Amino acid sequence: DGGITQSPKYLFRKEGQNVTLSCEQNLNHDAMYWYRQDPGQGLRLIYYSQIVNDFQKGDIAEGYSVSREKKESFPLTVTSAQKNPTAFYLCASSIQGETQYFGPGTRLLVL
Amino acid sequence: AQSVTQPDIHITVSEGASLELRCNYSYGATPYLFWYVQSPGQGLQLLLKYFSGDTLVQGIKGFEAEFKRSQSSFNLRKPSVHWSDAAEYFCALPSGGYQKVTFGTGTKLQVIP
Repeated sequence: DGGITQSPKYLFRKEGQNVTLSCEQNLNHDAMYWYRQDPGQGLRLIYYSQIVNDFQKGDIAEGYSVSREKKESFPLTVTSAQKNPTAFYLCASSIQGETQYFGPGTRLLVL
Repeated sequence: AQSVTQPDIHITVSEGASLELRCNYSYGATPYLFWYVQSPGQGLQLLLKYFSGDTLVQGIKGFEAEFKRSQSSFNLRKPSVHWSDAAEYFCALPSGGYQKVTFGTGTKLQVIP
């Protein structure tokens, strides 16, 4: 069954801690994306990657980092520099120039 | 710069009633436009998309949307709402070869018996 998986479903971060959100896809899509969703603000693009070993900053990249070592995987690290990390994080993937398909999301909470 | 506006934050309709969710866009050329639906705590699912051609677009789950260039609108409609349609709906405008998608702030739909 093809799709996008995100783990964990819920993640708790302590002050000053870096945490990593996983995103895996088996759709053979070249492009992958990370969005942050806050109530009443829609989705905002954090990072995107069009090809392995390459990625670009989106609109709100500060305090986040990514890697794209494999086509199937695009992990997002929320660093301690992100002062307001509580949000719902959505990963998406697409064939180049085609519609984006979304994973089920990870909710990040700060302890 | 492109933008998408969903004027209604929250809408309540009775089950069986018709539905129209508003979306207005600002874009310098002929846009591509999408509607997505999100159930609570879930990812987004594509309902339908407009590229060009026929301005009335059919989607999944009985939804349709009409592109009106003169009004810069792409409103989502359904003739008879079911309780399972309760969710949040997002209008979206891709650009830059789909690499950047601008999302509206969403409309939360409540369905009452």
